[in-house]
Amino acid sequence: AQKVTQAQTEISVVEKEDVTLDCVYETRDTTYYLFWYKQPPSGELVFLIRRNSFDEQNEISGRYSWNFQKSTSSFNFTITASQVVDSAVYFCALSEILQNSGGSNYKLTFGKGTLLTVNP
Amino acid sequence: DVKVTQSSRYLVKRTGEKVFLECVQDMDHENMFWYRQDPGLGLRLIYFSYDVKMKEKGDIPEGYSVSREKKERFSLILESASTNQTSMYLCASSLFYASGWQETQYFGPGTRLLVL
Repeated sequence: AQKVTQAQTEISVVEKEDVTLDCVYETRDTTYYLFWYKQPPSGELVFLIRRNSFDEQNEISGRYSWNFQKSTSSFNFTITASQVVDSAVYFCALSEILQNSGGSNYKLTFGKGTLLTVNP
Repeated sequence: DVKVTQSSRYLVKRTGEKVFLECVQDMDHENMFWYRQDPGLGLRLIYFSYDVKMKEKGDIPEGYSVSREKKERFSLILESASTNQTSMYLCASSLFYASGWQETQYFGPGTRLLVL
C-alpha cells in the first residue's frame, strides 16, 4: 500500500529563517505523482506543486524550493527566509492508481501534515 | 482560476439527523472527491466520482453515501449522523485524462461538521 511519512509533526522557526519540511513516500507504482499542499488556518488546501516520478529536477518558485530524490523516496520542501504568512499545515501527497477506474484515475494518499509556525 | 465551493463552512447537527454536504466546481472537471480530515489521521478518501451518476467507494465509505446528478455538483450524505462523524470535510475536483496523466486535485474551503 502507498504510504507518505511526514516525520515532523510541528516545526517552529523565527521569521527569516530557512526551514525544510521532509516527506518520504512508499509506492510500488512505477509512474506516480507527488504533491505539496498548504493549509492555512482558514482550512482550504492550497495546491503548491506537482511532480511526476520521471522528473527529478529540483524546482524553485520564489522562496519555495523542492528537492525530489527518487533514490531515497523523498520529496522535501524548503522555504527560504520564512515569513509569518507561511504559518500553516503543509501536506505531502502521493498519487495512487484507483483500481475501480480502469487504471486511468487516481486518488491521493496524504501524509499527516507538518504544522509550521513562523514567529515574528 | 479553479473554483470549488462547499455549501457550508460550519454545520451543527444532532445524532440521527440526515446531513447533506454540497460541493460545486465551476471548471467542468470530470473527477470529484470527498475527504475527511481528522487530527492525527490526515485526509482520508470517503468517495469519489469520475462521471455523472458514477461513484466509487474510497477508504472509509461506511456511514456515507454520495450523489452526482450533474457534472458540477457532488453531494455527500450522512444517512444518520453520529458523533464519530464530527470532522472537517473537504471536497476536491480534477480533470480526467484517459492517457493516465494525473491532474491536480483542487480543494474547496471545507465544512466543519459537529454532530451532537
